[in-house]
Amino acid sequence: QKEVEQDPGPLSVPEGAIVSLNCTYSNSAFQYFMWYRQYSRKGPELLMYTYSSGNKEDGRFTAQVDKSSKYISLFIRDSQPSDSATYLCASGYSSASKIIFGSGTRLSIRP
Amino acid sequence: DAGITQSPRHKVTETGTPVTLRCHQTENHRYMYWYRQDPGHGLRLIHYSYGVKDTDKGEVSDGYSVSRSKTEDFLLTLESATSSQTSVYFCAISESESGGQGGTQYFGPGTRLTVL
Repeated sequence: QKEVEQDPGPLSVPEGAIVSLNCTYSNSAFQYFMWYRQYSRKGPELLMYTYSSGNKEDGRFTAQVDKSSKYISLFIRDSQPSDSATYLCASGYSSASKIIFGSGTRLSIRP
Repeated sequence: DAGITQSPRHKVTETGTPVTLRCHQTENHRYMYWYRQDPGHGLRLIHYSYGVKDTDKGEVSDGYSVSRSKTEDFLLTLESATSSQTSVYFCAISESESGGQGGTQYFGPGTRLTVL
C-alpha cells in the first residue's frame, strides 16, 4: 500500500464548477500536508500548505485535512480553464526529506 | 521556479553511458533534493543533501550518485544509464528540514532524460 494514495483521474468538469480533489494517507505520524499544481512539462508549484487538521483558504482554493480519517482534500471554487493541470498531494512529518507525494490527479476544466 | 535552474532540460543518451544532471539555486537554501517522476508513481526521492558535502539516499537511489561541492549546486550522476532510468528528473530546494512551512519544497523546471 502506498503511503499517499490519489485517484489519477482524469477529471473533467465545466468552467465555473466546484472541483473536489482527494487523497488518503496511511501514516498517522504525518503532520503537514501540501497541494502542488503542475502544468504540463513544468515543475510542481506549491499551492497550499496545511499543518495538522483543519481548513485553510486562499482565494478560490480551500485545503482540508481530516486526521481522524486520514483524508486530504482540495476544493476549487469557480473553476477556470487555467486551473487545468495535474494536482499532487503530499504529506510528511518532522523531516522534509520524508515528504511522500501522491501520484497526481489530472484535471481539465472545459470552457 | 523559485530561483532554481536545471541543465540540460532535455537529453537523449544511450544505454551504458554516464550522464550528469545539474541543479543550480540562487536562494541559498540548505536542503536540495533530486526526484524522478514517472506515470503512476508520482514523485520519488532519489537523493537529498542537507549541506555542502552532506548527502543521503532516498527511496530509489540505486544506480544514482550525487555530489554537492557548493551550496548552490547539486549534481545527479547516472554512472551507466539504463532504459529504466528514462524519466523526468526534478530538483527541489527547501529552507529547512523542520515540520514548519520552511520545510516545504520548491521545484525546478525538470530535465527530460531518454535512455535508448
